[in-house]
Amino acid sequence: GAVVSQHPSWVICKSGTSVKIECRSLDFQATTMFWYRQFPKQSLMLMATSNEGSKATYEQGVEKDKFLINHASLTLSTLTVTSAHPEDSSFYICSARTGPEQYFGPGTRLTVT
Amino acid sequence: QKEVEQDPGPLSVPEGAIVSLNCTYSNSAFQYFMWYRQYSRKGPELLMYTYSSGNKEDGRFTAQVDKSSKYISLFIRDSQPSDSATYLCAMSGLVNTDKLIFGTGTRLQVFP
Repeated sequence: GAVVSQHPSWVICKSGTSVKIECRSLDFQATTMFWYRQFPKQSLMLMATSNEGSKATYEQGVEKDKFLINHASLTLSTLTVTSAHPEDSSFYICSARTGPEQYFGPGTRLTVT
Repeated sequence: QKEVEQDPGPLSVPEGAIVSLNCTYSNSAFQYFMWYRQYSRKGPELLMYTYSSGNKEDGRFTAQVDKSSKYISLFIRDSQPSDSATYLCAMSGLVNTDKLIFGTGTRLQVFP
C-alpha cells in the first residue's frame, strides 16, 4: 500500500509556543489530505480537509486561526498548532487520499506543558 | 442516530477463531467501504476497501457489503494474537474530497 509519513512522531512544547507537524505522501501524489485528532480510546475526529493550492476546509468547532494548515504541494501538508495550550495535547494524524483509498500517517503525539 | 454505528466491544476470542466485525450505516450515498486496523498509539492501517455491494477477500480477511441492508462486515479467519487491535469501519461517497465517516471502532483481543 501507499506510504504516508509524519514528522515529528512526538513533540513536547511549552505553553504559548507553536508547533509544526509535517505530513508527506512518499510514493504517490495526493490532491487531498486530511488532518485528524484522536483522544485516548476514542475514534478519529476530523479537523480539516486540505486541498493542494487552496485554503483548508475546517470542521465545525475547529479554530482555523489556531490550527493553521498549508498544503503546498501534492506530497506535503503541514499543520501548525499556534500558541499551544495543555488542552491541545493530543494525538494528531494526517491522511492522504489517492482515488477512493485513504492512507494514514503514523501520527504525532503532542504534549504541551 | 449516527451515520455509522459500530459495536465498540471489546471482543475477546481465542487464537484460531473466526472473528466477525460489523457496521451499519444510514446514508445511502456511501459507495466506498473500508476497514482499518489501528494498533495502540499508531495511525490506522488500511486493510481492505470495497466499492458498492459484494465480497472481497485478501488472505485471512474477507469484507462484505450489503447495500440493501446498509450493513458491512469484516471476517478474520484463523485469528492470531497479532490481530489484537482496534478495527475501524469507514465509508465515503464518490467525490475525491468526500470525508471518510468512521465507526467508533471495535477493540479485538485474540488470546493464545
